[in-house]
Amino acid sequence: SQTIHQWPATLVQPVGSPLSLECTVEGTSNPNLYWYRQAAGRGLQLLFYSVGIGQISSEVPQNLSASRPQDRQFILSSKKLLLSDSGFYLCAWSKGAGTDTQYFGPGTRLTVL
Amino acid sequence: KNEVEQSPQNLTAQEGEFITINCSYSVGISALHWLQQHPGGGIVSLFMLSSGKKKHGRLIATINIQEKHSSLHITASHPRDSAVYICAVYGGSQGNLIFGKGTKLSVKP
Repeated sequence: SQTIHQWPATLVQPVGSPLSLECTVEGTSNPNLYWYRQAAGRGLQLLFYSVGIGQISSEVPQNLSASRPQDRQFILSSKKLLLSDSGFYLCAWSKGAGTDTQYFGPGTRLTVL
Repeated sequence: KNEVEQSPQNLTAQEGEFITINCSYSVGISALHWLQQHPGGGIVSLFMLSSGKKKHGRLIATINIQEKHSSLHITASHPRDSAVYICAVYGGSQGNLIFGKGTKLSVKP
């Protein structure tokens, strides 16, 4: 069966510090991968998606970046965190694009102070 | 105006009540997704539907493509149903999910 992992579960970082969140998927190959953010009081927002290694599409311009160094690994990064980067970050995967069901990871709660 | 609107934003019910959560959308879609977010933040997929009605246990989801509207019903609600229910539609150039802000449901014993 397929599983999706995210770490860390919670993170408190000072403004201006770097960020690296990792997401890995097991039990499937060549998944579509997604990074979402849920800011306090707001709905989920798609940040990045990837259809293959090294292929990243950005939905929202920001100081975040994403990379996919391996088929089942998706990393969300920032060189300098802003207060507005605080939120709940969710990774998800699907077998294909379009209307395939997306399966979500447990999420990382990031607080930037 | 948001592309996906949910109502109500907050809902408190007594155990056993029939619950309805509504979702309206303004974009053309190929499918709609109902998700459940637990208090800890974890998200579980409940339904994905593009027409008609689906039922799973005490949960029923319906969609009317012409009216651009979907409903999620919970029969015989229970405190363990307390969660945020999120409607999401597949839209955008890559068919990515567009999310509503969620409906926070609290079921009191």
